[in-house]
Amino acid sequence: DTGVSQDPRHKITKRGQNVTFRCDPISEHNRLYWYRQTLGQGPEFLTYFQNEAQLEKSRLLSDRFSAERPKGSFSTLEIQRTEQGDSAMYLCASSLRRGQGLYNEQFFGPGTRLTVL
Amino acid sequence: EAKTTQPNSMESNEEEPVHLPCNHSTISGTDYIHWYRQLPSQGPEYVIHGLTSNVNNRMASLAIAEDRKSSTLILHRATLRDAAVYYCILRDVGAGGTSYGKLTFGQGTILTVHP
Repeated sequence: DTGVSQDPRHKITKRGQNVTFRCDPISEHNRLYWYRQTLGQGPEFLTYFQNEAQLEKSRLLSDRFSAERPKGSFSTLEIQRTEQGDSAMYLCASSLRRGQGLYNEQFFGPGTRLTVL
Repeated sequence: EAKTTQPNSMESNEEEPVHLPCNHSTISGTDYIHWYRQLPSQGPEYVIHGLTSNVNNRMASLAIAEDRKSSTLILHRATLRDAAVYYCILRDVGAGGTSYGKLTFGQGTILTVHP
């Protein structure tokens, strides 16, 4: 399977614990995105990388959230001191930035469902 | 940021055409119209996009109004597998013609397909 993969698929944690999610994009995709989706809502943008550079962060990304893409391949999203409000599906997507005027659709992974007790 | 308005839900019968509307009255000249869909328990997937002209691909057709203030996603023959949430998204490509990063999703339209 050459699609976007995410690990773990499900995570249950207690309030106050730290959690880390991993995303492996499609090989050679230079852009990687993180989104969060709560029940009944569309995904909300969190942040995105072009290669290893984090180019944009949403105001949703509080100080407890940090994302990295150290070698421009896989990415991790860490949430420190989790709160019940962090319970959501965390989606990763990747795309290939082409030249000017060329479209770069985003390919999404299956998501990591986080439940904070 | 330009917003889109979609009906909360729609229903269709299998093998019938489905027309999913989207209003985007504040669209700018550099906004592309994108459609993604999200099947149950999956991440969203790209369906189609367009700027001014109608577009066709293997999944669907996109009809864009002449004033670009609305568009319609057309599934020519709905199948049970097309039951999903359909998102209409505007995305600015800027003066240079390169699409920018994030997708801004609304709540989308929940499509139910009856056998």
